[in-house]
Amino acid sequence: GDSVTQMEGPVTLSEEAFLTINCTYTATGYPSLFWYVQYPGEGLQLLLKATKADDKGSNKGFEATYRKETTSFHLEKGSVQVSDSAVYFCALSPRSNDYKLSFGAGTTVTVRA
Amino acid sequence: SAVISQKPSRDICQRGTSLTIQCQVDSQVTMMFWYRQQPGQSLTLIATANQGSEATYESGFVIDKFPISRPNLTFSTLTVSNMSPEDSSIYLCSVTANEAKNIQYFGAGTRLSVL
Repeated sequence: GDSVTQMEGPVTLSEEAFLTINCTYTATGYPSLFWYVQYPGEGLQLLLKATKADDKGSNKGFEATYRKETTSFHLEKGSVQVSDSAVYFCALSPRSNDYKLSFGAGTTVTVRA
Repeated sequence: SAVISQKPSRDICQRGTSLTIQCQVDSQVTMMFWYRQQPGQSLTLIATANQGSEATYESGFVIDKFPISRPNLTFSTLTVSNMSPEDSSIYLCSVTANEAKNIQYFGAGTRLSVL
């Protein structure tokens, strides 16, 4: 079935460091791909999305490109801040008329000042 | 976007009791979902709740344990029945965005501890 495999954490970085969180997926057809973020004590928020191959989602300095050839959707940010400390979830929605989300395991990121 | 309010935000319950979690949305939405997030783990979909029809449960979840109501387009409840410590989790509701059905908005969750 459809699934998402996400880089395990936790990840600890210093401020202004480069962040990459790897995400690969398995799906039939052409899924939509998402990154959600969960800040401490809060619910999930959509960070960015891509709905077709080669699309690049971006928000708050984060970027991810939908790579069909490698079935990947890696999250990157060039210079992290303490406020980026959160749990990041990669997710997919398998078909255009199936809006269920399958989530990766989540990666906890801690940014130190 | 949609604003989702979940109640209660947290609760501590005794084994064998039941808890009903409420999810209120500030706009009419077609699809609502209920997820469970066990400690240190990812989200697992429990069921899809559409107004006017029975909830659709995912493998491993049954209506007797997790009855769901969806009386209108802005409200849903999830009941966790006959609780055991294994039910200790965060329970989240989400809705599909009216402007883009493949986007979901989430409530802040209900943190449940069962003693």
